Amino acid sequence: EAGVAQSPRYKIIEKRQSVAFWCNPISGHATLYWYQQILGQGPKLLIQFQNNGVVDDSQLPKDRFSAERLKGVDSTLKIQPAKLEDSAVYLCASSQGSGGKNIQYFGAGTRLSVL
Amino acid sequence: GEDVEQSLFLSVREGDSSVINCTYTDSSSTYLYWYKQEPGAGLQLLTYIFSNMDMKQDQRLTVLLNKKDKHLSLRIADTQTGDSAIYFCAGPGGYQKVTFGIGTKLQVIP
Repeated sequence: EAGVAQSPRYKIIEKRQSVAFWCNPISGHATLYWYQQILGQGPKLLIQFQNNGVVDDSQLPKDRFSAERLKGVDSTLKIQPAKLEDSAVYLCASSQGSGGKNIQYFGAGTRLSVL
Repeated sequence: GEDVEQSLFLSVREGDSSVINCTYTDSSSTYLYWYKQEPGAGLQLLTYIFSNMDMKQDQRLTVLLNKKDKHLSLRIADTQTGDSAIYFCAGPGGYQKVTFGIGTKLQVIP
């Protein structure tokens, strides 16, 4: 079974530029998550999708961050314009999205450096 | 919302046991998880326990849950250098969500 795929693995941009990250979840997983992990911290949820609908985006800085999950499969996360404090690893995860257990499978992440 | 707390760092000698501790605030019946993150990688689920259990053992891993004190621990027996990583405790965070702790960095000294 293929895991969660993310690209690119690394991205370096200057502040005020825009950047986009892509995620392909495990086939059949209804729920998709984007997390921001700042160095030395745990992952912080940015947005959660159930199929192609948003379940929770309360922690997403909507003035600069946007995300979509067209057709309920792949997802993209965009930052425009980027700030220095956006430097972090952006993790995508997916889960089957049913039942009491919430086992999430993570991609390797995209490490973003904003200069 | 849910709060999950962990100590930041643990150093053990190869072959010893490691015990990583976590406290949480949510008292609902639910699942609690331990994830492992190696350098440059995403998080990988190690094990989980349902809140009506006191203990769960899986090969070298033992999870202990003290529901009264809201304390969760992960014991790794015969710790190896390959166990060096950051370990995250995760508790419930709402519908189909979890809240992660800050992570405990385990250093294994050969």
